[in-house]
Amino acid sequence: EAGVAQSPRYKIIEKRQSVAFWCNPISGHATLYWYQQILGQGPKLLIQFQNNGVVDDSQLPKDRFSAERLKGVDSTLKIQPAKLEDSAVYLCASRTFYDTDTQYFGPGTRLTVL
Amino acid sequence: AQTVTQSQPEMSVQEAETVTLSCTYDTSESNYYLFWYKQPPSRQMILVIRQEAYKQQNATENRFSVNFQKAAKSFSLKISDSQLGDTAMYFCAFIPNAGGTSYGKLTFGQGTILTVHP
Repeated sequence: EAGVAQSPRYKIIEKRQSVAFWCNPISGHATLYWYQQILGQGPKLLIQFQNNGVVDDSQLPKDRFSAERLKGVDSTLKIQPAKLEDSAVYLCASRTFYDTDTQYFGPGTRLTVL
Repeated sequence: AQTVTQSQPEMSVQEAETVTLSCTYDTSESNYYLFWYKQPPSRQMILVIRQEAYKQQNATENRFSVNFQKAAKSFSLKISDSQLGDTAMYFCAFIPNAGGTSYGKLTFGQGTILTVHP
């Protein structure tokens, strides 16, 4: 079974530029999560999707961050415009609807904002 | 709100020895799940072990076992026969099983860096 795929693995941008991350969850996983992990800290949930609907985006900075999950499969997370404090690893995770506790993580995208 | 605390920023152990990582949590929920995740330098977050709060028996997975003390809200991870490949950041995490939008929302601790020395 293929795992959660993410791209790119690394991204370096200047502040005020835009960036987008892509995630492909494990096949059949209805629930998808985006986390932000600042260096030396645990991941923090940004947004949770159930199929193509948003379940929880309470910690997403909506003035600059947006996410979508068209057709309930792949997802993109966008930052526009980026700030220095957005430098972090962005992790995508997924789980099945029935295995409702265990999340499986992708390798993450390391973003550096200069 | 739930909180997860890992009080050991860094730990080290000699290869083949045993090490225990500590985790405490705070919640008013009665039913929940606890996890230990491992994150090596490659950044891939890997599930090590999970524990269901309603089960009194401590979970074990090969060399990994937990000591779950529900009343004390403590959930420590014991790694036996440590191997070089165990070197990683270890995160304790919590999910309430309370329905609603909090269902499936992981809360992580700050992490413990474990280094296994040859």
